[in-house]
Amino acid sequence: SYVMTQPPSLSVAPGKTARVTCGGDNIGTKSVHWYQQKPGQAPVLVIYFDADRPSGIPERFSGSNSGNTATLTISRVEAGDEADYYCQVWDSSSGHRVFGSGTKVTVL
Amino acid sequence: EVQLVESGGGLIQPGGSLRLSCAASGFTVSGNYINWVRQSPGKGLEWVSVIYPGGNTFYADSVKGRFTISRDNSKNTLYLQMDSLRVDDTAVYYCVRGELQTFDSWGQGILVTVSS
Repeated sequence: SYVMTQPPSLSVAPGKTARVTCGGDNIGTKSVHWYQQKPGQAPVLVIYFDADRPSGIPERFSGSNSGNTATLTISRVEAGDEADYYCQVWDSSSGHRVFGSGTKVTVL
Repeated sequence: EVQLVESGGGLIQPGGSLRLSCAASGFTVSGNYINWVRQSPGKGLEWVSVIYPGGNTFYADSVKGRFTISRDNSKNTLYLQMDSLRVDDTAVYYCVRGELQTFDSWGQGILVTVSS
C-alpha cells in the first residue's frame, strides 16, 4: 500500500515558521490532508485537499503539494501549536486511507 | 451538534473477540462515511476500516479477515467486530465521520488492550 514519510520531529521558536513535510511517490497527484493531535486529544483536521482550511483553523496554517512532497506550513508559530501532525491520503486504487508516520512539533 | 461515542473496549486475551460500538448523534450513520482509526500507545494513527453510505466496506490489510464493520441504521450506531485479536491490536480506537477522503469528526476514543 501507499507509504508516506514524515520527519519524526522538528523544533521551532515562537514567531518563526514551521514546515512539516510529507514524502510519497508522486504524492503531488494525490490530495493530501493534515491533522493536528495534541496530547490526550483526538486529531483535528487543519488542512484538506492540499491547501484548504476548515472553518475555525487560523490562516497561519497553510499547505502545498507538488512532486514527491507535500508541506504543511505554520506561520508565526505559537506555543499552542505544539502537537503531533499527520498527513493523510486516500488511495483510490485500494479504497484505503493512509496516514503518514507523524511529526512532533516542539515550540522552543 | 455532531457527536460520536465509542463503547465496548477493555482487556481481552489474545485470540479473543470484542465488539466496539459507536453511537452517533447530530447526523445519520447511513448517509455518511464512517471509519475506525486506531492509535497504539505512543504510536501514530492507523486507519482500520470504513463503511460507505451505500454499504461498501474496506479494511486495512492488518485487520482484513479478522475485523468486520457494520451499522444499525435504526439505532444510528456503528460497530466494529474484532475477532482473533492479537497483542498488536492494542490501541485506542476512534470512531470517525468523514467525507470520501477526509476525517472531520472524531469520537473521544476507546482503549482496547489485548494481553494475557
